Amino acid sequence: DQQVKQNSPSLSVQEGRISILNCDYTNSMFDYFLWYKKYPAEGPTFLISISSIKDKNEDGRFTVFLNKSAKHLSLHIVPSQPGDSAVYFCAATGSGAGSYQLTFGKGTKLSVIP
Amino acid sequence: DVKVTQSSRYLVKRTGEKVFLECVQDMDHENMFWYRQDPGLGLRLIYFSYDVKMKEKGDIPEGYSVSREKKERFSLILESASTNQTSMYLCASSRRDGGEETQYFGPGTRLLVL
Repeated sequence: DQQVKQNSPSLSVQEGRISILNCDYTNSMFDYFLWYKKYPAEGPTFLISISSIKDKNEDGRFTVFLNKSAKHLSLHIVPSQPGDSAVYFCAATGSGAGSYQLTFGKGTKLSVIP
Repeated sequence: DVKVTQSSRYLVKRTGEKVFLECVQDMDHENMFWYRQDPGLGLRLIYFSYDVKMKEKGDIPEGYSVSREKKERFSLILESASTNQTSMYLCASSRRDGGEETQYFGPGTRLLVL
């Protein structure tokens, strides 16, 4: 049973527009969420995270929004650039002893068209 | 900067061979992880370790073993490689941080088993 779901396998956006990547989770114990970006043949790179005590976190062009009641988070990229074309993974973890693991979604492939 | 290195970027092995994948991190992280990434399946956790000589099974440990003799090094062993172990293998490390643990990934090893 998938605890973290990225329902869109792919997304295409024009350069300069906003990219919105979505992620849903089912485990109410999750309280820390991360987004990773992955280029082909490279390891994932940490992008941005958010704790459940917040509903928004911003870093430059990247903003993550968290809606706890809906168990939903989204990553906004504004403006989108061709170099943003990659696979984006959403991940989640829960606090408490022994919670070292991240649970990943299956990823969304973003293509930014020049 | 966190640095996680993996011993090989590309490997080709024959069915039945014993395969060693090495991972080293230079940030004194307590936690280390091995994942495999396959198209459409996202990142799946094979094994992780939260301390020297400690190991825990992840979601797909069958056919794999691990070794953590030193804090900075975590090895993944394929005892008898099979074609269904052809994949991208990713190592990650993280600090033990009370729940908000960002994992940092190595560049990956693309393994082909013939």
